[in-house]
Amino acid sequence: GNSVTQMEGPVTLSEEAFLTINCTYTATGYPSLFWYVQYPGEGLQLLLKATKADDKGSNKGFEATYRKETTSFHLEKGSVQVSDSAVYFCALPFYQKVTFGTGTKLQVIP
Amino acid sequence: DVKVTQSSRYLVKRTGEKVFLECVQDMDHENMFWYRQDPGLGLRLIYFSYDVKMKEKGDIPEGYSVSREKKERFSLILESASTNQTSMYLCASSPLGTGVGETQYFGPGTRLLVL
Repeated sequence: GNSVTQMEGPVTLSEEAFLTINCTYTATGYPSLFWYVQYPGEGLQLLLKATKADDKGSNKGFEATYRKETTSFHLEKGSVQVSDSAVYFCALPFYQKVTFGTGTKLQVIP
Repeated sequence: DVKVTQSSRYLVKRTGEKVFLECVQDMDHENMFWYRQDPGLGLRLIYFSYDVKMKEKGDIPEGYSVSREKKERFSLILESASTNQTSMYLCASSPLGTGVGETQYFGPGTRLLVL
């Protein structure tokens, strides 16, 4: 079946540091891949997505490239801000349902 | 903007009580979902519904039931609450979609404590 593995947190970074959160997946076929973000006290919201191999999703300075050869969809940001502190979920949709990773908590300190 | 609302942000219940969690979405979405979120386990799907009066079990349906009498409303029912059902419950909705994966829109969550 489908599965998503993402790096465990928490990740603590200083403001303006470079961020990478690793995500790898197992799936049949060629699924879309998503990153969701959950800010404190809120539900999840879509951050970015890619629908086919070699696609790059981007939003709010975050990027992720769908790499079929390594079955990965790592999330990156060049310079994090305190406001990026949140939990990030890698996700693999399959028709109506979605398989989520366990989430990686990011804390950015000034 | 899509809006998904949940009836309560925080609930405290006693073991054995019947608990109702309500979710309403305003975007005419066909699909609605209930998840629970626990530290280290991420989101786990309890039930989902793809149409009025239709439901399918997710990964952890035991101890829960659902009701969808109207398209916009999806209720999660804990028939007899137990302490291991203490968790954050998240409701989500999505359009019918084309099979490549549609965005799910989430409510703010209900944090349930069962004593």
